[in-house]
Amino acid sequence: GAVVSQHPSWVICKSGTSVKIECRSLDFQATTMFWYRQFPKQSLMLMATSNEGSKATYEQGVEKDKFLINHASLTLSTLTVTSAHPEDSSFYICSATGGGRADTQYFGPGTRLTVL
Amino acid sequence: GDSVTQMEGPVTLSEEAFLTINCTYTATGYPSLFWYVQYPGEGLQLLLKATKADDKGSNKGFEATYRKETTSFHLEKGSVQVSDSAVYFCALSTNYGQNFVFGPGTRLSVLP
Repeated sequence: GAVVSQHPSWVICKSGTSVKIECRSLDFQATTMFWYRQFPKQSLMLMATSNEGSKATYEQGVEKDKFLINHASLTLSTLTVTSAHPEDSSFYICSATGGGRADTQYFGPGTRLTVL
Repeated sequence: GDSVTQMEGPVTLSEEAFLTINCTYTATGYPSLFWYVQYPGEGLQLLLKATKADDKGSNKGFEATYRKETTSFHLEKGSVQVSDSAVYFCALSTNYGQNFVFGPGTRLSVLP
C-alpha cells in the first residue's frame, strides 16, 4: 500500500517551453502533496505544499508563477514548469500524505527534467 | 525550528561490515521519526519509522530506536550488502505530517 506514481519519469524539452509533471496516489487519498527538487548529490529542497482544493503554499525563493502547482483531486497533483530554462533542469520528486498515514510521506519515483 | 542532523558521508564499508549512521534531531513536541533510502536515479523509499519514545523501527535488516533522552534515531545494520549502497535520509514529522524535516543525507558505498 501507499504507492505514489509520477509521470513522466524523464523529459527533455527546449528552452522556453512548458512541462507538466503528474503525481498520483494510487491506493490512498492524498490530502496533502509535496513537491521537491533535488540537485545531484544533494538533499531534497521543498518547493511547495499543496492541499486538495486549495492553493499551494510555496517555500521562500520559489517562484509561484514559474512552478504552477494544482491539486485538483485527492489522488492527483500536477507541477507545471513554465517557460523552462536550462537552470530548471533537475530531479523533481513528489510525495503524499493522507488517510491513516498523515504523519508519513510516501514518495514518487521522481522525474528527471532536462532543458536544452 | 525543527532540524535533523546526520553524520556526514560518504561512508564506505566492506560487505558484511556493521553499519551505523548517526541521526539526531531538534523538535518541539513529539515528532515521528523516519529513515528513507534513495537508490541512484530513484525517489525515496520509506525504510522504517518510529512514532514514540523507545519504539524500534525495523525493515530489511535495518533498525533504529527512538531515543527521546538523547534525541537520536541512529540507523544500524549488522551486515551490509553491496545492494545497500544508496543515500540514507533521516527525517522527522510533526503537526500531523504538515511539518516534515529531512537531514542532508548520508551516502553509503558497500564494496564487495
